[in-house]
Amino acid sequence: GAVVSQHPSWVICKSGTSVKIECRSLDFQATTMFWYRQFPKQSLMLMATSNEGSKATYEQGVEKDKFLINHASLTLSTLTVTSAHPEDSSFYICSAGGRQEQSSGGTEAFFGQGTRLTVV
Amino acid sequence: GEDVEQSLFLSVREGDSSVINCTYTDSSSTYLYWYKQEPGAGLQLLTYIFSNMDMKQDQRLTVLLNKKDKHLSLRIADTQTGDSAIYFCAESIPTDSWGKLQFGAGTQVVVTP
Repeated sequence: GAVVSQHPSWVICKSGTSVKIECRSLDFQATTMFWYRQFPKQSLMLMATSNEGSKATYEQGVEKDKFLINHASLTLSTLTVTSAHPEDSSFYICSAGGRQEQSSGGTEAFFGQGTRLTVV
Repeated sequence: GEDVEQSLFLSVREGDSSVINCTYTDSSSTYLYWYKQEPGAGLQLLTYIFSNMDMKQDQRLTVLLNKKDKHLSLRIADTQTGDSAIYFCAESIPTDSWGKLQFGAGTQVVVTP
């Protein structure tokens, strides 16, 4: 399968600062990328869908001004947690996908390694 | 509640078979997946099944799909201590983009010697 690289793998930041997480599709042109969030001992919840060259689509309850998503190229999507607070501490995972017309429908999403964010 | 439901915990003895169950709600899902997550790590795709299949076997893993009941199961034969992890089932969400998944809450599998 395709390789998706996510950086950093972990980050600790002070409350009030912003943190950028990068998700790179190394061998696949990902027209769509998905950002998930996982709280300890819980499931992955989809935060937003980013499409290359257009605005991201956020799931209900996710603050678009707090979680800024940029998908400027087919190989890179970034998630910026702005003015981070301790309640934003979580595990963030990206995955790469694509438009339906790109393939026969795709068989799997390709996940990054995840980023553990701790806000102190 | 969640659209994909799993039992939260399973304890199994080493060498026995493990069966993890999952129910989903979207009958239009094309693919159903099983992922493994070890502590502090990302997701590892174990296997997936296309919605028009009933069964898929891959080495120690057997996936059964009952589309009528929207029930998915993962059987791990000869369970090893290295199989201790959280297992997530997920369904593909029909959309104009592929790769969008809805996850269950995860089943924590503990393998005892």
